[in-house]
Amino acid sequence: SQQGEEDPQALSIQEGENATMNCSYKTSINNLQWYRQNSGRGLVHLILIRSNEREKHSGRLRVTLDTSKKSSSLLITASRAADTASYFCATDYGNKLVFGAGTILRVKS
Amino acid sequence: DAGVIQSPRHEVTEMGQEVTLRCKPISGHNSLFWYRQTMMRGLELLIYFNNNVPIDDSGMPEDRFSAKMPNASFSTLKIQPSEPRDSAVYFCASSILSGSTDTQYFGPGTRLTVL
Repeated sequence: SQQGEEDPQALSIQEGENATMNCSYKTSINNLQWYRQNSGRGLVHLILIRSNEREKHSGRLRVTLDTSKKSSSLLITASRAADTASYFCATDYGNKLVFGAGTILRVKS
Repeated sequence: DAGVIQSPRHEVTEMGQEVTLRCKPISGHNSLFWYRQTMMRGLELLIYFNNNVPIDDSGMPEDRFSAKMPNASFSTLKIQPSEPRDSAVYFCASSILSGSTDTQYFGPGTRLTVL
């Protein structure tokens, strides 16, 4: 079973709307990361949040971490068509970085 | 600065043939990772190296898979003999720190098709 799992599996919104994706994990972590993957490309690191942090911002991205619930959320504000991609959370599990199955985000213009 | 470089970008081969995938990590990065991505299994870590030394190869599916890192700027992933179920996108990633759980920088991937 995967350490991190994203929800929803797919999300379709209009340009300008906000998009929220969630990630749940099973065991204690040191950090949690979010990555983006455009179709046919490699993953791109978006943000890393450590276990002692509750919220982090980067441009239009806002990530929260709730270690008591073992969950994280990624909020993309004022979405653009270029945000269309798959988004993955990744957590440290043992000595590895384990990726979830991803959320497919489609932003319609 | 150049990112992680992988070659070839696409590879089509026949079952039983040897396949070699290549990776050049970002200069100065101390860790290198090989991943495989499929629709069914998602992104799986195959093996990772710290300072050119293999640390964890528990994700390598079978003895048909082998990986080497002869120096800090080059790594190969070899499949011999290849099988249709090896068809996937193979990613190489590198990290500046000598650890497996910090920010990783991914290459563009090699799409492998085994007929």
